[in-house]
Amino acid sequence: IAGITQAPTSQILAAGRRMTLRCTQDMRHNAMYWYRQDLGLGLRLIHYSNTAGTTGKGEVPDGYSVSRANTDDFPLTLASAVPSQTSVYFCASSDGGGEDTQYFGPGTRLTVL
Amino acid sequence: GQNIDQPTEMTATEGAIVQINCTYQTSGFNGLFWYQQHAGEAPTFLSYNVLDGLEEKGRFSSFLSRSKGYSYLLLKELQMKDSASYLCAVTDSNYQLIWGAGTKLIIKP
Repeated sequence: IAGITQAPTSQILAAGRRMTLRCTQDMRHNAMYWYRQDLGLGLRLIHYSNTAGTTGKGEVPDGYSVSRANTDDFPLTLASAVPSQTSVYFCASSDGGGEDTQYFGPGTRLTVL
Repeated sequence: GQNIDQPTEMTATEGAIVQINCTYQTSGFNGLFWYQQHAGEAPTFLSYNVLDGLEEKGRFSSFLSRSKGYSYLLLKELQMKDSASYLCAVTDSNYQLIWGAGTKLIIKP
């Protein structure tokens, strides 16, 4: 592994189902982030983690949860998916905080029907 | 509120120069980033400005004026592979990154 990986690449999900998007980085970065990207809108921060064991809410956290049990992994869970959660989801990491360059995973394209 | 404005779309000719502007209004300022994002791919880092002035990196340059809340990305000797979206993002006083919606750049032969 080099950089950040995300799984799955894409997924079609029935509304009401639970779904976990996986994110793993091998750069030993302290901070990790989950964004969603919708057409015509900028990247919107869902949740973040400044270091293992801590998490925080971003701009659009409702309907999503995260955990950061170790440095490398930062899964995003949709407890009960709704169609408005159809989006492209990007995981990112940085060595430090917001003043450091963020490196992005390849994204997960999620469709909720 | 916090706001970052960029043009939605720009068109330029291969071999030419294009300037993509970004204006911002944020609660504090701790740096400005430019990222490139090709269609269907992840954003990748281009440049970072924290002090006023021009930063040059090959064919790409980025300028910042903190007093005017303004930045631009200058792309020279445009190539077809430069067709992409260019995202402006500002680190605010809480060290959170605020993103613009991006500028889609179309390069024509």
